Amino acid sequence: AQTVTQSQPEMSVQEAETVTLSCTYDTSENNYYLFWYKQPPSRQMILVIRQEAYKQQNATENRFSVNFQKAAKSFSLKISDSQLGDTAMYFCAFTTNTGNQFYFGTGTSLTVIP
Amino acid sequence: GAVVSQHPSRVICKSGTSVKIECRSLDFQATTMFWYRQFPKQSLMLMATSNEGSKATYEQGVEKDKFLINHASLTLSTLTVTSAHPEDSSFYICSARGLGYSPLHFGNGTRLTVT
Repeated sequence: AQTVTQSQPEMSVQEAETVTLSCTYDTSENNYYLFWYKQPPSRQMILVIRQEAYKQQNATENRFSVNFQKAAKSFSLKISDSQLGDTAMYFCAFTTNTGNQFYFGTGTSLTVIP
Repeated sequence: GAVVSQHPSRVICKSGTSVKIECRSLDFQATTMFWYRQFPKQSLMLMATSNEGSKATYEQGVEKDKFLINHASLTLSTLTVTSAHPEDSSFYICSARGLGYSPLHFGNGTRLTVT
């Protein structure tokens, strides 16, 4: 069975500081994709970043980067220079090689404090 | 980027009536669409997965006769909540993906309130 675990229900960070959100997953597949989605108070789901499992290089999108540790099945999200607009729920997600199933973690509520 | 349009964004209906929610992929062909339900401050709960031209696959515990899903074309899927009851009040989100390992693209969600 595929599972995604986010062990931090809530986190906070001072504006301009850096924060890391944790995510672990479990799968027996070798090829898969990992994603981080952001859900602000508007409740729109926004793709933040994605990582292909076959790539060793960690994905980066501006202030967002991931630390992908395939052996440890860990996929953490680092937000640098946190901004007030980063306040949102963050969901880690995973899709298998067959591509017809998406698995979401329980989410981490991030608050950026001015 | 890929855009998914979901309508209506809010709907209030009376108990016993049916409500239809539409999900359209505007600039790509969605081979698979997913319907989620989300309770406040919780994660997305997958209700069903639909592929164009075939019957939807429902998750365990989701009543297929109550939540009718139709995926008639590669750009449109609908969710009909039949004989709605107050406990069906929730936030419903659709998502779509194209071919290959593309990420999910989400609609803006529908806030359903059954009175």
